[in-house]
Amino acid sequence: AQSVTQPDIHITVSEGASLELRCNYSYGATPYLFWYVQSPGQGLQLLLKYFSGDTLVQGIKGFEAEFKRSQSSFNLRKPSVHWSDAAEYFCAVGAHQAGTALIFGKGTTLSVSS
Amino acid sequence: GAGVSQSPSNKVTEKGKDVELRCDPISGHTALYWYRQRLGQGLEFLIYFQGNSAPDKSGLPSDRFSAERTGESVSTLTIQRTQQEDSAVYLCASSLVGQGAEAFFGQGTRLTVV
Repeated sequence: AQSVTQPDIHITVSEGASLELRCNYSYGATPYLFWYVQSPGQGLQLLLKYFSGDTLVQGIKGFEAEFKRSQSSFNLRKPSVHWSDAAEYFCAVGAHQAGTALIFGKGTTLSVSS
Repeated sequence: GAGVSQSPSNKVTEKGKDVELRCDPISGHTALYWYRQRLGQGLEFLIYFQGNSAPDKSGLPSDRFSAERTGESVSTLTIQRTQQEDSAVYLCASSLVGQGAEAFFGQGTRLTVV
């Protein structure tokens, strides 16, 4: 069965520092991969997605992620974190074929210190 | 509508009562998902509808949970004989079906069972 693991439950970074959030997936087929962000009191918003082509994908708010098939990973990165990036981040995996649901990881909470 | 709409936004119910949660997806979205998010937890998949196909109910935690969808429109999630462990935010999402289709989330219904 497909699954998503986000090993870090909570990460704190200093404002202006770089960020990497880890995501590993287990999937029997070629996956679609997504990163969503959930800010306090807000709904889930898509940051970026990968489904084919270039393995380095750019998203909104200066985020990027790299798909590494050999490592079954899709880590999220940002070169310089802003205080407004404090939120919960979810990685998700879906299938290329229709009829299957998105499966989410348990999330990583990002805190930003000044 | 412009986005996924869920109602009510908050629901407090007594243990043992039945509750119905409603989701209005984005017009034209054939896929619809329900997820549960307990406090401090990730998104737990509940059920997935796609067009006229049989829904994927594999995530429903017990037979007290059920969901219906009328065509490609409104969906209702029903929880019978609610228990305190049902307290959570219930999130609905909808999407087109296709390569890398993004799931758009509603703001959720916060259910509190007292």
